[in-house]
Amino acid sequence: GAGVSQSPRYKVAKRGQDVALRCDPISGHVSLFWYQQALGQGPEFLTYFQNEAQLDKSGLPSDRFFAERPEGSVSTLKIQRTQQEDSAVYLCASSLATSGQETQYFGPGTRLLVL
Amino acid sequence: DAKTTQPPSMDCAEGRAANLPCNHSTISGNEYVYWYRQIHSQGPQYIIHGLKNNETNEMASLIITEDRKSSTLILPHATLRDTAVYYCIVRVDTGNQFYFGTGTSLTVIP
Repeated sequence: GAGVSQSPRYKVAKRGQDVALRCDPISGHVSLFWYQQALGQGPEFLTYFQNEAQLDKSGLPSDRFFAERPEGSVSTLKIQRTQQEDSAVYLCASSLATSGQETQYFGPGTRLLVL
Repeated sequence: DAKTTQPPSMDCAEGRAANLPCNHSTISGNEYVYWYRQIHSQGPQYIIHGLKNNETNEMASLIITEDRKSSTLILPHATLRDTAVYYCIVRVDTGNQFYFGTGTSLTVIP
């Protein structure tokens, strides 16, 4: 079946603009994760959903970052008043269940550039 | 989650085995070892994971030392398409997110 998809793949924003990044997880996957990857670094955890419940948002860098998954499937990561330091690749991952052994499957990411 | 240490870069000749080491000396008894790789401009791709026994699948083998303080990912016959950054991650059974380090950049040389 289809893997995790993300849109847009590339986004250029002017500093101060709001952006919304979409993630379509694998159908039936309960858990959904967002990560941020700066250039030359490994991905860093932002937030985690189990169905529609956001169970962990400890990695969100500021209150300008907001994520939602209202129906337990598609998720949106919103960044308000973007800053240059928000430039990064934003990765979404999903897993079938909630056990810590479940493999996470990653999407291709959205590359955000804030000018 | 336990911290992992990997060499920043490695080279491997095409067709030879690539052996990627990882140290995780502070690993706990319930922490799994996962390996992912990331090819340029793509999302991380799952390779293999294990707890204490060696594991093998169609992509690779994972060798975990008896004391579990280190492991080695083996790509038996490296191809040019295996050029990527390889991440070793340890993860608690009840945990959720992965903690990636900076990984090992593997270059397969023709």
